[in-house]
Amino acid sequence: LAKTTQPISMDSYEGQEVNITCSHNNIATNDYITWYQQFPSQGPRFIIQGYKTKVTNEVASLFIPADRKSSTLSLPRVSLSDTAVYYCLVGGYYKLSFGAGTTVTVRA
Amino acid sequence: GAGVSQSPSNKVTEKGKDVELRCDPISGHTALYWYRQSLGQGLEFLIYFQGNSAPDKSGLPSDRFSAERTGGSVSTLTIQRTQQEDSAVYLCASSLEEGLGVFYEQYFGPGTRLTVT
Repeated sequence: LAKTTQPISMDSYEGQEVNITCSHNNIATNDYITWYQQFPSQGPRFIIQGYKTKVTNEVASLFIPADRKSSTLSLPRVSLSDTAVYYCLVGGYYKLSFGAGTTVTVRA
Repeated sequence: GAGVSQSPSNKVTEKGKDVELRCDPISGHTALYWYRQSLGQGLEFLIYFQGNSAPDKSGLPSDRFSAERTGGSVSTLTIQRTQQEDSAVYLCASSLEEGLGVFYEQYFGPGTRLTVT
């Protein structure tokens, strides 16, 4: 099972780009990398998923280097409402490993 | 359509009692997951169901924990002889059918907050 490591917290200001890196050195060949956002008292919500290279959707980008031992979630131009905990999930099928979460605080 | 629902939303129980937590997945989702989130902590994966079967139960914390799923829909997580360390939020998620090389996003329920006194 891949062990995932991510920073405990990050601070940012409105309008800035936030980049969160997750380390997963022993990622398996079939493992996907998925990021979730969680607000207090709510279940996590899907942000983006990738297997390799770069993936972009309407809210974020995910950068995965060729060795796949890390991944970086990029949130462009954050707002106050992006203040949340962000989790990196590595795995697939029934072998899943969540990171401990990164608390992102966006200030005005 | 309706999302993942869980019941009860809150449960307070005395140490040593049994509790049963329920999860109703999104209709048509054959994959179902249970997680535990202790206060201020990350998510701990407990068990995964593909249809009614769980290929691997090693994520369950102890033999006091069991889970079942019937009819490919509703799932229950049962904790016997509850202990104070079982206090946590128990989250359920569902997704489309999984397989090797195929992994879909999970939709999470609001969770059940369990407090063991």
